[in-house]
Amino acid sequence: GDSVTQMEGPVTLSEEACLTINCTYTATGYPSLFWYVQYPGEGLQLLLKATKADDKGSNKGFEATYRKETTSFHLEKGSVQVSDSAVYFCALSGTGTASKLTFGTGTRLQVTL
Amino acid sequence: EAEVAQSPRYKITEKSQAVAFWCDPISGHATLYWYRQILGQGPELLVQFQDESVVDDSQLPKDRFSAERLKGVDSTLKIQPAELGDSAMYLCASSLPGTAAHEQFFGPGTRLTVL
Repeated sequence: GDSVTQMEGPVTLSEEACLTINCTYTATGYPSLFWYVQYPGEGLQLLLKATKADDKGSNKGFEATYRKETTSFHLEKGSVQVSDSAVYFCALSGTGTASKLTFGTGTRLQVTL
Repeated sequence: EAEVAQSPRYKITEKSQAVAFWCDPISGHATLYWYRQILGQGPELLVQFQDESVVDDSQLPKDRFSAERLKGVDSTLKIQPAELGDSAMYLCASSLPGTAAHEQFFGPGTRLTVL
């Protein structure tokens, strides 16, 4: 079945440091890939998405590129802020409206001053 | 801005007791999802409704879990009896019919602790 593997946390960075959170997937066909963010006390929010190979999703300074050859979708940000502290989930879904979301285990990011 | 509402936000119960969670989706969202998120893991879909009908409950432990959406609007997830391993965050999400899986809006969740 489909699965998502992401790097374990927590990841602790100083403000303005570069961020990379690794994500790899296993799926049949050509899934869509997503990053979700969960701020403390809030529900999951879609951060960015990519629906086909070589697509780059981006939002709020974060970006991730759909790499079919390496089955990866790593999340990057050039300069993190304290407000980026949250749990980040990599996820995938198959094509079509009947598909389900499959999530990774989440990576907690803590940004300090 | 419309949001998915869940209550209670926190629930502590003893094992073997019954517990229930409530979800009110965004108005007009015919599709409703319940997820379980165990600490350190990603959300796992328990049940999906389209209006009042269950379309997927393959991962719902039916011996102790039940879910209903009688009028196709709000929904209740029940656990009876609760077990220690049920301690988790229970997330509700909703979406418009016919939209892709990622176009769902999540509520803040109910954190359950079973003692």
